[in-house]
Amino acid sequence: AAGVIQSPRHLIKEKRETATLKCYPIPRHDTVYWYQQGPGQDPQFLISFYEKMQSDKGSIPDRFSAQQFSDYHSELNMSSLELGDSALYFCASSTDAGAYNEQFFGPGTRLTVL
Amino acid sequence: GQQVMQIPQYQHVQEGEDFTTYCNSSTTLSNIQWYKQRPGGHPVFLIQLVKSGEVKKQKRLTFQFGEAKKNSSLHITATQTTDVGTYFCAGRTGGSYIPTFGRGTSLIVHP
Repeated sequence: AAGVIQSPRHLIKEKRETATLKCYPIPRHDTVYWYQQGPGQDPQFLISFYEKMQSDKGSIPDRFSAQQFSDYHSELNMSSLELGDSALYFCASSTDAGAYNEQFFGPGTRLTVL
Repeated sequence: GQQVMQIPQYQHVQEGEDFTTYCNSSTTLSNIQWYKQRPGGHPVFLIQLVKSGEVKKQKRLTFQFGEAKKNSSLHITATQTTDVGTYFCAGRTGGSYIPTFGRGTSLIVHP
């Protein structure tokens, strides 16, 4: 079965640079969630999209922005990177934005900021 | 805001011993989900509990949702080395579609 695809899997950036993470949800999933997970931490919700519109917003810094495109893939844009942005970034998708859906997580993008 | 506390943070067991992780919420939950994350992997959905007092089983795993829908537990009977990983609970309140994850319990199984 098709899974959530994230690219790149690993990314190394310098401070103050920008980064773009991509997420391709499972086919026919219209909701995408972005999470940030630091070492030994739980996933922290950043932002979500349903049918190409932002549906919920969590602890996403103002330096970050995201969008969902017409083909339902999503991109997380990160600017003015800081050392503290080093983390695993997961994208998850679900069939809808409801309260009882199961989220399918992608393999994650490991971002290292030097 | 909503908080989901999960204990213990780590648990070492000998293979064959049982394991339990507990989640407690500061507010009543509409549902709670459990995920497993293997080392170096991503969270994988295990189960969802919705009803007060609900108990669900998956082979050696037993999931419970408290009567007040504020706490939940995951119990693994006779652990195996394949059970190694971090188990997260994720709870939703009625007013939010976004789950709040607990800090996770890392299970280490010694052969």
